[in-house]
Amino acid sequence: AQTVTQSQPEMSVQEAETVTLSCTYDTSESNYYLFWYKQPPSRQMILVIRQEAYKQQNATENRFSVNFQKAAKSFSLKISDSQLGDTAMYFCAFMKHAGGAAGNKLTFGGGTRVLVKP
Amino acid sequence: DSGVTQTPKHLITATGQRVTLRCSPRSGDLSVYWYQQSLDQGLQFLIQYYNGEERAKGNILERFSAQQFPDLHSELNLSSLELGDSALYFCASSTSGQSTSTDTQYFGPGTRLTVL
Repeated sequence: AQTVTQSQPEMSVQEAETVTLSCTYDTSESNYYLFWYKQPPSRQMILVIRQEAYKQQNATENRFSVNFQKAAKSFSLKISDSQLGDTAMYFCAFMKHAGGAAGNKLTFGGGTRVLVKP
Repeated sequence: DSGVTQTPKHLITATGQRVTLRCSPRSGDLSVYWYQQSLDQGLQFLIQYYNGEERAKGNILERFSAQQFPDLHSELNLSSLELGDSALYFCASSTSGQSTSTDTQYFGPGTRLTVL
């Protein structure tokens, strides 16, 4: 079974600064997908960014980028130019490449609470 | 707005009771997923349906059951409720249910269940 670990329960950052969230995972799979989801106070789960394990290039979405280290099984999220609206819980998630009818559940880490201060 | 709808938003009930949570996926999505978010267990996958058929099962209790109807909406039935079942229940949907990164799971706003 896969496990996802987020070692930072809480982080704070000043507006316009950069913050990096850590995520490590444990799997014996070679092909899989990684995601970061954001959960603001509204409780809605919003996809922030995704990464295919077979791709060397790190994914980027506007102010959000990842540092994917496959050998180290690490998948960190960097939020640049932090904004007040980035205040949320951030979850790292893993999905193995099962193919066909095997299903594709997400396995989530415990989350990191990010507080952006004005 | 993800396009996934869930009703009701809040549900308060007593131990031993039975409730039904409803989910309508995004237009065109064939897969529906149910997740439970609780303080002690975090976010856990419960079950996945694809075009009316069960595709994958996670840590779903025997007291819980789900189905997906021909119009693709899904219902999660929770029975013999216990205090520990209090949680936020999310429904998510995706286009095909195939394990690719492009088959993104979009989440509904959740149903907050409180068992007293």
